[in-house]
Amino acid sequence: GAGVSQSPRYKVTKRGQDVALRCDPISGHVSLYWYRQALGQGPEFLTYFNYEAQQDKSGLPNDRFSAERPEGSISTLTIQRTEQRDSAMYRCASSTNGNEQFFGPGTRLTVL
Amino acid sequence: GQQLNQSPQSMFIQEGEDVSMNCTSSSIFNTWLWYKQEPGEGPVLLIALYKAGELTSNGRLTAQFGITRKDSFLNISASIPSDVGIYFCAGGNAGGTSYGKLTFGQGTILTVHP
Repeated sequence: GAGVSQSPRYKVTKRGQDVALRCDPISGHVSLYWYRQALGQGPEFLTYFNYEAQQDKSGLPNDRFSAERPEGSISTLTIQRTEQRDSAMYRCASSTNGNEQFFGPGTRLTVL
Repeated sequence: GQQLNQSPQSMFIQEGEDVSMNCTSSSIFNTWLWYKQEPGEGPVLLIALYKAGELTSNGRLTAQFGITRKDSFLNISASIPSDVGIYFCAGGNAGGTSYGKLTFGQGTILTVHP
């Protein structure tokens, strides 16, 4: 069966541009999570959804970051006016029970 | 943000040796999980623990959920070259206000020499 997919796998953008990162969860998984992983560190929580409802966005660094999951399936993480410090691996995960989370391959974002 | 304290940071071992790594937290978790990450891939779930004191095995891997709910360890027996990777612990609290949020350790880098 298909796992979590993310696109694009790599994104290079110029400072000040907006980017949209997409996550397609495992079919039937109610919960979807966004994490950010810096080199040499574990993933850090950004936000999560149950169905289409955003349950917790406490990990979003500032108001340039937003996420949506309008139909309870695919999710988009949007970063407006990107800055160099936004460069990182952005990972998406999905789950049925809230704890056993299955991760996608990630999107490597580089802001020049 | 909060991170779990994972040790050791790295390990270099010979094929066939056993490996032990652990994870501690200042906070209680209801669930402990162990993930493995290989280059260019996302973390892959190895073992999930749901009960304090629980000891769970998955092949050559054994993990325990500490009695205090503030720690966990992972053992790998008879290591093989394909065990190479970064091992992450993660703590979760299903049912609380932060339901679904996992807090990760910084990882243990494992290198296995044939």
